[in-house]
Amino acid sequence: DTEVTQTPKHLVMGMTNKKSLKCEQHMGHRAMYWYKQKAKKPPELMFVYSYEKLSINESVPSRFSPECPNSSLLNLHLHALQPEDSALYLCASSHPGTAYEQYFGPGTRLTVT
Amino acid sequence: EDQVTQSPEALRLQEGESSSLNCSYTVSGLRGLFWYRQDPGKGPEFLFTLYSAGEEKEKERLKATLTKKESFLHITAPKPEDSATYLCAVRVGYGGSQGNLIFGKGTKLSVKP
Repeated sequence: DTEVTQTPKHLVMGMTNKKSLKCEQHMGHRAMYWYKQKAKKPPELMFVYSYEKLSINESVPSRFSPECPNSSLLNLHLHALQPEDSALYLCASSHPGTAYEQYFGPGTRLTVT
Repeated sequence: EDQVTQSPEALRLQEGESSSLNCSYTVSGLRGLFWYRQDPGKGPEFLFTLYSAGEEKEKERLKATLTKKESFLHITAPKPEDSATYLCAVRVGYGGSQGNLIFGKGTKLSVKP
């Protein structure tokens, strides 16, 4: 099973709202990732968690706050977003071995109004 | 600077017309090259991992090959359902459990019946 699930599928929020994106995998992967993808662009790495610890933050604004409560779950907390933050947010996971293939979830389509 | 370039940006084929997509890379030590397929509004779907020059992998109508400077994704007798954007990514990073990816901009493939 190579499934990564993400909720919600779609999210519309105002600039003053607080919301969270959720990601879950049950493949035993110990690395999890958040990516942002704008239309007709490749995914851009935002955060990497390795063994539940934040290992990479690609200079992402503080209005995005990641959290990894356990080895299967990854959250992205959103607060005071801007319209330019509207994008497809992708979660991925990989096994901490030599393969490093990242398996992606279906994404959350976020619209900031 | 690590860089991944895909060509062409877009490719239109007739059903059954075989062709190849190119991914050239300049990285300081390749630790894996990955091919993904992405349908509109969905997360990338993992296809192949290649590690060393001369390596080849096949899956149905797709065959991926790797040289020291580039990779090709050959599509034999494509069908309309092969229409998607194909993303190439290389793994960078040293040690640890994460495999950070640098993505190319993708090739959008359209197969007409």
